Amino acid sequence: GAGVSQSPSNKVTEKGKDVELRCDPISGHTALYWYRQSLGQGLEFLIYFQGNSAPDKSGLPSDRFSAERTGGSVSTLTIQRTQQEDSAVYLCASSTRPQLAPSSYNEQFFGPGTRLTVL
Amino acid sequence: LAKTTQPISMDSYEGQEVNITCSHNNIATNDYITWYQQFPSQGPRFIIQGYKTKVTNEVASLFIPADRKSSTLSLPRVSLSDTAVYYCLVGDGPGGYQKVTFGIGTKLQVIP
Repeated sequence: GAGVSQSPSNKVTEKGKDVELRCDPISGHTALYWYRQSLGQGLEFLIYFQGNSAPDKSGLPSDRFSAERTGGSVSTLTIQRTQQEDSAVYLCASSTRPQLAPSSYNEQFFGPGTRLTVL
Repeated sequence: LAKTTQPISMDSYEGQEVNITCSHNNIATNDYITWYQQFPSQGPRFIIQGYKTKVTNEVASLFIPADRKSSTLSLPRVSLSDTAVYYCLVGDGPGGYQKVTFGIGTKLQVIP
């Protein structure tokens, strides 16, 4: 079946402009994550959606960052007034609903990412 | 969140077995240990997961000692295509979602 898709694959923008990044998770996956990966760095958690629950926004670096998930499926990450330090690869992942017991890590399926360059 | 520590980089020749060890001294009782692999310009990909003892799949083996404070990912007979970054992750606790932290990972370079 289709995996996680993201668009655009590359985005070049000018400082101060707004950008929208899109993620299409695997059908039926209730959990959706956004991460940011700067060059040579690990993945930085940004935000998490699970079903109809309130999203965990604790990883968003500033109020210029926001994300929504419509209808429990597609998600959009918006960065307003982009800065050069926002340049990175933005990765989206989805997973099935976690089992409550016993605790186990649910495999995250990652998209190819969107490479954002802010000039 | 349980913190993990792993080597930043490793080199290996083709055909050798590679062992990457990860320390997670503060692992919780309910946490699982998971490894991901990331190739350049791609998102990470799940390799293997375990709770204790040994787990083996078609890609790798995962060795976890009784105290679970560390784990070792073993890649048998690596090839050039195994050159990637390998991340060790520990689960965030019971139930709910897994807000795990991907550290810098271990960059494995396989040499011909």
